[in-house]
Amino acid sequence: DQQVKQNSPSLSVQEGRISILNCDYTNSMFDYFLWYKKYPAEGPTFLISISSIKDKNEDGRFTVFLNKSAKHLSLHIVPSQPGDSAVYFCAARMRDNFNKFYFGSGTKLNVKP
Amino acid sequence: DTEVTQTPKHLVMGMTNKKSLKCEQHMGHRAMYWYKQKAKKPPELMFVYSYEKLSINESVPSRFSPECPNSSLLNLHLHALQPEDSALYLCASSQGGSSTDTQYFGPGTRLTVL
Repeated sequence: DQQVKQNSPSLSVQEGRISILNCDYTNSMFDYFLWYKKYPAEGPTFLISISSIKDKNEDGRFTVFLNKSAKHLSLHIVPSQPGDSAVYFCAARMRDNFNKFYFGSGTKLNVKP
Repeated sequence: DTEVTQTPKHLVMGMTNKKSLKCEQHMGHRAMYWYKQKAKKPPELMFVYSYEKLSINESVPSRFSPECPNSSLLNLHLHALQPEDSALYLCASSQGGSSTDTQYFGPGTRLTVL
């Protein structure tokens, strides 16, 4: 049973507009969340993270929002650029097991020029 | 330096072969991981080493054998694999034991079992 879910397998956005990628989780013990970007034939690259004590974290064009009551997080990319086209994975970790990360199935983002 | 290196980049092996995948990091990280990733699927955790000791084995078949010779190196020994074991094998490392631990991934080894 997958505890981290990304229900949209793909998303297409025009260059310059906002991209919103969503992630839901089921386990209330998760306390740390991460987003990774993956290009074909490469390993995932860490993008941004958020601790459960926060509801927002921002890094340049990337902002992650966490809604603990809804067990939902989202990644906003503003403005979107063609180079952002990749597969985005969200991941979560429990407070009592730092070494085990649970990954969603990924959302493929296509930013059109 | 946030680089995790993996060799080889590609590997083709028969079902009777023995081969090894190698992973190296020089970030002083004390946790290292092996993941298996199939096409259009998330990375699937196989093994975790924490301070050079095996801490997590996700019920991986014995034809996969991990080894952590020192804190910078991680190997995955392969023997008598099946065609369904063909996948991208990813190595990752993290500081280990931190509440804000972040994993850094290598580029992966694309394994094909004939």
